[in-house]
Amino acid sequence: AQRVTQPEKLLSVFKGAPVELKCNYSYSGSPELFWYVQYSRQRLQLLLRHISRESIKGFTADLNKGETSFHLKKPFAQEEDSAMYYCALNSGGSNYKLTFGKGTLLTVNP
Amino acid sequence: GAVVSQHPSWVICKSGTSVKIECRSLDFQATTMFWYRQFPKQSLMLMATSNEGSKATYEQGVEKDKFLINHASLTLSTLTVTSAHPEDSSFYICSAVGAAYSNQPQHFGDGTRLSIL
Repeated sequence: AQRVTQPEKLLSVFKGAPVELKCNYSYSGSPELFWYVQYSRQRLQLLLRHISRESIKGFTADLNKGETSFHLKKPFAQEEDSAMYYCALNSGGSNYKLTFGKGTLLTVNP
Repeated sequence: GAVVSQHPSWVICKSGTSVKIECRSLDFQATTMFWYRQFPKQSLMLMATSNEGSKATYEQGVEKDKFLINHASLTLSTLTVTSAHPEDSSFYICSAVGAAYSNQPQHFGDGTRLSIL
């Protein structure tokens, strides 16, 4: 069965410091991975998807099939990055049924 | 584009009553809608997958008779919590996938906070 693991429940960094939110997955098929972000009192929104290979708000994430990881990185954290981050795996093909990790609450301190 | 609206955003009701939550895709047709439950400071737990015009597919451990899902049109799905009890209090979130956004993942609603007294 598919599984998404985010080992850190909480992550606290200072503004300007690099940040890495870890995500590991377990899936027998070809994985399609996403990062979602939920700012305080807002809905979940898509941040990144691995097939796009793009950088959004300074964040990047690279799929490493050998390590079954999809870590989210940003070289210089900003206070407005403080939010809940969820890693998700598409296990439903075109149906986009997602399996979510437990989430990591990122706090960027001034 | 791809806006999903959930209503109500917050509901408080007495134990034993039934509560209906609506999920609408405002500017696209949703071929599939998902219903999640989120406990405080925890991740989203998928409850069921709903396709327009067919019965919902429930995840293991979710009571079908307790959580009734109807996806009568391409823009509306409803979740009815029947005979609600305090343990049903939670944050319920819906999401939608649209044919027009066939290569896009789910678009989420704002969620509904349900409190059963």
